[in-house]
Amino acid sequence: QAVVTQEPSVTVSPGGTVTLTCGSSTGTVSSSLYPYWLQQKPGQGPRTLIFDTNNKPSWTPARFSGSLLGGKAALTLSGAQPEDEAEYYCLLWFSGFAVFGGGTKLTVL
Amino acid sequence: QVQLQESGPGLVEPSQTLSLTCVVSGGSISSGRYSWSWIRQPAGKGLEWIGRFYTTGITNYNPSLKSRVTISLDTSKNEFSLKLSSLTAADTAVYYCARFPGDSWGQGTQVTVSS
Repeated sequence: QAVVTQEPSVTVSPGGTVTLTCGSSTGTVSSSLYPYWLQQKPGQGPRTLIFDTNNKPSWTPARFSGSLLGGKAALTLSGAQPEDEAEYYCLLWFSGFAVFGGGTKLTVL
Repeated sequence: QVQLQESGPGLVEPSQTLSLTCVVSGGSISSGRYSWSWIRQPAGKGLEWIGRFYTTGITNYNPSLKSRVTISLDTSKNEFSLKLSSLTAADTAVYYCARFPGDSWGQGTQVTVSS
């Protein structure tokens, strides 16, 4: 089974820009793995932030964007807000089997 | 906007079988090409994908749980279900249902395995 890797923790300053990445033990992450990014705040369930690499549900703020970068999936936050402090999970699909990354704890400080 | 809601027992005894249901509203469970999935999260830990029922009839399960998991759809009730057998304390978690692709998740239901 593939292993999906994420940075355990990242810190960004308010108003700053940060990129979280999502790698795969199988090699390059491409759009055929349909990368998802989920946001989970303390005490809440996860919510889809980005799906299929760079698509956004209606509720996702414009400051979030998804892409492929250097063989990985990437989530970029431009203009971080205090309310963006949360756990972010990557999800990749491997021919019908889904694997979550371990999550990145984003601190806005 | 499709909405999902999990239901089931909050407490289950070890070695028993867990049965959870996810009721779907705002759309038909049998229309479109979607993966109806179950995910779980132990307290303080990350998310774990359990498996899915694809609307073409295909099921896929996490290899680590495959021998104990069954996911099925009931189109007459517009719901799908999870059965997880031979429970141990390690199965204690919040269980979520979700639809992929897209952004539809249930609120989650706590399941505790204890005697």
